[in-house]
Amino acid sequence: DAGVTQSPTHLIKTRGQQVTLRCSPKSGHDTVSWYQQALGQGPQFIFQYYEEEERQRGNFPDRFSGHQFPNYSSELNVNALLLGDSALYLCASSASSGRALNEQFFGPGTRLTVL
Amino acid sequence: AQSVTQLDSQVPVFEEAPVELRCNYSSSVSVYLFWYVQYPNQGLQLLLKYLSGSTLVKSINGFEAEFNKSQTSFHLRKPSVHISDTAEYFCAVSRTGGGNKLTFGTGTQLKVEL
Repeated sequence: DAGVTQSPTHLIKTRGQQVTLRCSPKSGHDTVSWYQQALGQGPQFIFQYYEEEERQRGNFPDRFSGHQFPNYSSELNVNALLLGDSALYLCASSASSGRALNEQFFGPGTRLTVL
Repeated sequence: AQSVTQLDSQVPVFEEAPVELRCNYSSSVSVYLFWYVQYPNQGLQLLLKYLSGSTLVKSINGFEAEFNKSQTSFHLRKPSVHISDTAEYFCAVSRTGGGNKLTFGTGTQLKVEL
């Protein structure tokens, strides 16, 4: 089991550009959540996808959007990048049923730097 | 809404000494509680969780945490730390029921020294 995988590992963009981050959930998981972790801070919830729809959303502007594919993988898109978007972006997967219902497994993250 | 407070941003401790990392939460609804550990340049790993039942939960590597509803706390303890325990520790809560978002504290950096 490969666990949660994310790509790319690192990314450098300039202000105003757009970025797409990718996540593959752990085998057997159907729910994907995205978090932003700024330097020295705890992760902040961006949104969650289940059955290819956004189910919950945190306090992030609509420059942040996402998608979930039929194979449960997910993308996070950020438009019109700002310097403040520089952070570690974490993907977490979970199962909608079963013993691990309330456990989120995290990927290694994508480090985004906006110059 | 839920919130989490981790009062200590850094905790230095000598190897083989005991340690306690404090976590307090605020919520108007029932919650689940979690401790995650983050090693440098890595993602988060679940250390332990409280969902229901016994208020004392333990991890496989010697950590334990006790849910105290009256004090709205979920402090993490280990009786004897090792160098390898050096990491960032995050306390998190979610509403009960499945599939809910995690709300994290700001983290506590545990630094174990020889």
